[in-house]
Amino acid sequence: KQEVTQIPAALSVPEGENLVLNCSFTDSAIYNLQWFRQDPGKGLTSLLLIQSSQREQTSGRLNASLDKSSGRSTLYIAASQPGDSATYLCAVGGAGSYQLTFGKGTKLSVIP
Amino acid sequence: KAGVTQTPRYLIKTRGQQVTLSCSPISGHRSVSWYQQTPGQGLQFLFEYFSETQRNKGNFPGRFSGRQFSNSRSEMNVSTLELGDSALYLCASRYDRVNTGELFFGEGSRLTVL
Repeated sequence: KQEVTQIPAALSVPEGENLVLNCSFTDSAIYNLQWFRQDPGKGLTSLLLIQSSQREQTSGRLNASLDKSSGRSTLYIAASQPGDSATYLCAVGGAGSYQLTFGKGTKLSVIP
Repeated sequence: KAGVTQTPRYLIKTRGQQVTLSCSPISGHRSVSWYQQTPGQGLQFLFEYFSETQRNKGNFPGRFSGRQFSNSRSEMNVSTLELGDSALYLCASRYDRVNTGELFFGEGSRLTVL
C-alpha cells in the first residue's frame, strides 16, 4: 500500500527566503507525482505534475523534482512571498491504480 | 474554460439524514473522482467514475455511493449520516481515466453533521 509522507508538517519563513518542501513515498511504481496548493477552506489548486519519466518540472518561481528510485520529491519555492502562505500537498499516482495517494501536507507561513 | 464546479458549497445536516452532492467536471473531461478531506485523516479516495461506470472504490462503507451521468456530471450520496461524516468533499476531474493525466479539483462541499 502506497504511503506518502510530507515533512515538516508546518514551516514558517521570512519573506524573500528560498525554501524546499519534502515529499517521500514508499512504492516507486508510480505514473506521476502532483503538487497542489490549498488555501484555508478552499479546494486544491494544481501546481506541478511530474511524470515518472521526468526528473523535474518548473513553473515560475516553483520547481519540483522527482527521484523515483529513492521515493522522493521536493518542491522548491524561490523568493517566497506572503501570498505563498498555504498548505502544500503532494500526491502520487500509482501504476495500476486510478487514484491519487496524498500526503498530509506542509502548512507554509511566509512572514512579511 | 470553466473549472470543476461543486454544489452546494456548504450544508448542515443532522445524524441519520442523507445528503447528495453534485459535481460538474471540466468540459471534455470524462473521469470524475471524489475525495473526503478531514483534519485527522487528510485526503482519502472515495471512488472514481468513467463513462458512467464506477471503476475504482476506496475503503468507505456502503453508505457512500455515487453515480455519473452521460454528460460526465457526477453525484455522490451519503445515507444515514454520522457525526464522523463531517468533512470537506472534493470532486476532481481529468480528461481520461489513465493515471498519467493532471487532476483538477473543485472548491469542495463542506458538510457538517450535527
